[in-house]
Amino acid sequence: NAGVTQTPKFQVLKTGQSMTLQCAQDMNHEYMSWYRQDPGMGLRLIHYSVGAGITDQGEVPNGYNVSRSTTEDFPLRLLSAAPSQTSVYFCASSYSIGAGVNTEAFFGQGTRLTVV
Amino acid sequence: GENVEQHPSTLSVQEGDSAVIKCTYSDSASNYFPWYKQELGKRPQLIIDIRSNVGEKKDQRIAVTLNKTAKHFSLHITETQPEDSAVYFCAASKTGRRALTFGSGTRLQVQP
Repeated sequence: NAGVTQTPKFQVLKTGQSMTLQCAQDMNHEYMSWYRQDPGMGLRLIHYSVGAGITDQGEVPNGYNVSRSTTEDFPLRLLSAAPSQTSVYFCASSYSIGAGVNTEAFFGQGTRLTVV
Repeated sequence: GENVEQHPSTLSVQEGDSAVIKCTYSDSASNYFPWYKQELGKRPQLIIDIRSNVGEKKDQRIAVTLNKTAKHFSLHITETQPEDSAVYFCAASKTGRRALTFGSGTRLQVQP
């Protein structure tokens, strides 16, 4: 049981390049989300998904796309990288008990992205 | 939407002392309040959570209290140890909202 796995761990991009951050979980969790972590700002929600085929925007969605074709995978795409997207990105998954009652979120190990 | 404020941003205590971190939230419908610990270079990990139907929860040296009227909740760590040094995040969510709103974090330093 690997939990939540993110790849890559580190990435350097040039301004304007595109790339996909991968996230996979093997816990059969319904809910998956992407956060970015910047100094002094906590973790801010980019996009989330409540199940395969369903995604929605979080607090800071601009410049990012997501899709959820399977329960296990939730990739995050940067369309045209900008220096403002330099950050540490975390994927998380969780399940709910009953009608949308939250439980523990499990985080991946993070991706440190630098855009130059 | 929900807004979570966390204080202090840094906290230094002597080993064996207690540490208290406080958070306030804005959405009165929020009913789930987890606390995460993040060691340097690692992922956040849940240390304790509380739901709005209880006022306090304890797990060994860690406790969380919730005041729904005032819309604030606090993390209490007793008998601190150097391995408690980390960044702590509070968060809030509510039934039907699948993602968490996080506070800005508190860097706790426990001096040996």
